[in-house]
Amino acid sequence: EPEVTQTPSHQVTQMGQEVILRCVPISNHLYFYWYRQILGQKVEFLVSFYNNEISEKSEIFDDQFSVERPDGSNFTLKIRSTKLEDSAMYFCASRVIGEGTEAFFGQGTRLTVV
Amino acid sequence: RKEVEQDPGPFNVPEGATVAFNCTYSNSASQSFFWYRQDCRKEPKLLMSVYSSGNEDGRFTAQLNRASQYISLLIRDSKLSDSATYLCVVNGDWTGANNLFFGTGTRLTVIP
Repeated sequence: EPEVTQTPSHQVTQMGQEVILRCVPISNHLYFYWYRQILGQKVEFLVSFYNNEISEKSEIFDDQFSVERPDGSNFTLKIRSTKLEDSAMYFCASRVIGEGTEAFFGQGTRLTVV
Repeated sequence: RKEVEQDPGPFNVPEGATVAFNCTYSNSASQSFFWYRQDCRKEPKLLMSVYSSGNEDGRFTAQLNRASQYISLLIRDSKLSDSATYLCVVNGDWTGANNLFFGTGTRLTVIP
């Protein structure tokens, strides 16, 4: 069964460092997303990506965040200068088309900023 | 303002019990609705979509009331394996038609 894969599963970084979280969406999917979940809190939307550009982004997705699809398979989230409050589980998701269809989530990357 | 609201629980029920979860959403223009399940420290996984006429999948029944902007999930004959957090998810919220917005989740523990 096709699945969304994310690497690494756990990343520890020092405050102020840049991190890149990687995702390989399901191959025939067209919409890609990043969500985050701070421990004990709800899943929060960060950004959606379609047709090689950002479709929408939330207030959380400020100038410190960026996304790229550098090739035909990878989808990355970069945090330029991490803060303690960036510590969370980051989930990548993809969908075949948009509204009404199931979003498949990767297993997540746990980011710990120290 | 919360786009999607759920009772966080926890709900602790004995095996075999019937339990119901409720969810409200803020945007009347929302078009698609889902229940996802999330096990501890795992990714959300689709449990079922919610259709206007209501739908059933085995022991699980989902209902949608557009007039009240209300979604429900009923679990019959609870199993130990049903223990998880149930996430109410709404598509087509006010900021975008293609994004999914999550409630805080309702934690369920089924007790032997």
